[in-house]
Amino acid sequence: GAVVSQHPSRVICKSGTSVKIECRSLDFQATTMFWYRQFPKQSLMLMATSNEGSKATYEQGVEKDKFLINHASLTLSTLTVTSAHPEDSSFYICSARDPRLTSGRPSETQYFGPGTRLLVL
Amino acid sequence: KNEVEQSPQNLTAQEGEFITINCSYSVGISALHWLQQHPGGGIVSLFMLSSGKKKHGRLIATINIQEKHSSLHITASHPRDSAVYICAVRETSGSRLTFGEGTQLTVNP
Repeated sequence: GAVVSQHPSRVICKSGTSVKIECRSLDFQATTMFWYRQFPKQSLMLMATSNEGSKATYEQGVEKDKFLINHASLTLSTLTVTSAHPEDSSFYICSARDPRLTSGRPSETQYFGPGTRLLVL
Repeated sequence: KNEVEQSPQNLTAQEGEFITINCSYSVGISALHWLQQHPGGGIVSLFMLSSGKKKHGRLIATINIQEKHSSLHITASHPRDSAVYICAVRETSGSRLTFGEGTQLTVNP
C-alpha cells in the first residue's frame, strides 16, 4: 500500500529557532498534501492544504508567515515552523491524497504520515 | 455543534467483546474515513466509505447516507486494538477532511 513518511519523527529545539518538517509520498505522486497539528487529547486540526507548484491554502487563524509550506515536487512537501515558541509544541501530521484512479474514478484516499512531535523549549 | 460527532468518547472493553463506535455528521459528504491512531501518534486509515458496508478482518464499517451515520465494529476485540479511533468526513464541497473528536478504546486482557 501507499506510504507517507515524515522526517524528523521527533525534534526538540530552542525558542526562536526554525524547524523544518518533511513529508514524502513514497510510492505515488501527491499533487495535494495536507498539514495538521494535534494537541494532546484533541483531534487533528487542518492547518493548510499544500498543492504542488502553487501557494498553500491556509486555514483561518493559521499564520502563513509562521508556518511556511513548500510543495516543490510531487513527492515532497515541507512545513517550516519559523521562530518557534513553546506554544508551537505539538504533534504535526501530514497526509497525501492519492490521485490515482480506482475503478475508473478518482481516488479519495488519503494516506497519513507517522507524525512529527515538536517540543520547543 | 460539531459537524462530526463520535460516541462514545471513551470505551473500555474486555478482550473478546464486540465493540461499536458511532459517528454522526451534519454535512453532505462524498466519503467517510475511519482512522486508527496508536499511542505513538501514527495514523492508519482503516476504511473509506461512501455507501454500504466494508469488512477487513475483524473490522466492519457501515454507513447510512440518509441518516448521516456510520458505525465501526470490532469483533473479538484484542488488547492490541487499544487506540483512538477517529471518524473523518470529506465534504462534497471540497477536499478537506473534517474530523470527529475520536474515541479512546481500551481493551483489557
